[in-house]
Amino acid sequence: QQQVRQSPQSLTVWEGETAILNCSYEDSTFDYFPWYHQFPGESPALLIAIRPVSNKKEDGRFTIFFNKREKKFSLHIADSQPGDSATYFCAASGTGNYKYVFGAGTRLKVIA
Amino acid sequence: GALVYQYPRRTICKSGTSMRMECQAVGFQATSVAWYRQSPQKTFELIALSTVNSAIKYEQNFTQEKFPISHPNLSFSSMTVLNAYLEDRGLYLCGARDGGGNSGNTLYFGEGSRLIVV
Repeated sequence: QQQVRQSPQSLTVWEGETAILNCSYEDSTFDYFPWYHQFPGESPALLIAIRPVSNKKEDGRFTIFFNKREKKFSLHIADSQPGDSATYFCAASGTGNYKYVFGAGTRLKVIA
Repeated sequence: GALVYQYPRRTICKSGTSMRMECQAVGFQATSVAWYRQSPQKTFELIALSTVNSAIKYEQNFTQEKFPISHPNLSFSSMTVLNAYLEDRGLYLCGARDGGGNSGNTLYFGEGSRLIVV
């Protein structure tokens, strides 16, 4: 019930395309959904996050789409750049429960 | 802004010895600190969640006897890997939550402490 599933495991897109990363969850008490990116040799850094009060959150080229009914959320990276190449992790947590459950990660490669 | 410093960044230790890592929160009150391990090719395994003035909660397969944690105040936490063996290799991350109410459930990660066991 605590699992967060993430797909695809790896993704390659051309520069300028939109990369789409997907996650789903099972625990209906989850109400905070962050995305982190991690570059090789570095720790994960918060990219963008959403709460279920809205179904879309934008920050520059990064957009989260959230579907509460289907318990799915996705990260869209518009106009992908080679510098976006990294591993992306989705996560979920619930109010008052401060532990995150992470997805397995998506390794994104953007080709110039 | 919120920052989390974690050290040491990398430790090479002999099999059977121990490694201590520390986590320092700057600019916010770290009311909760989660310790994770990221093994090669794997995602994040939660080791334990520490909340100031509450008991530390360890996840299944992780024990206080193996991974003792200290969280004495709102800016500092430490964890030790006792009697480290090959299966303990990985990147250990502390994630601190801002209990000041400004960042909700956001977890700020330290730079990680990589444990190499030889």
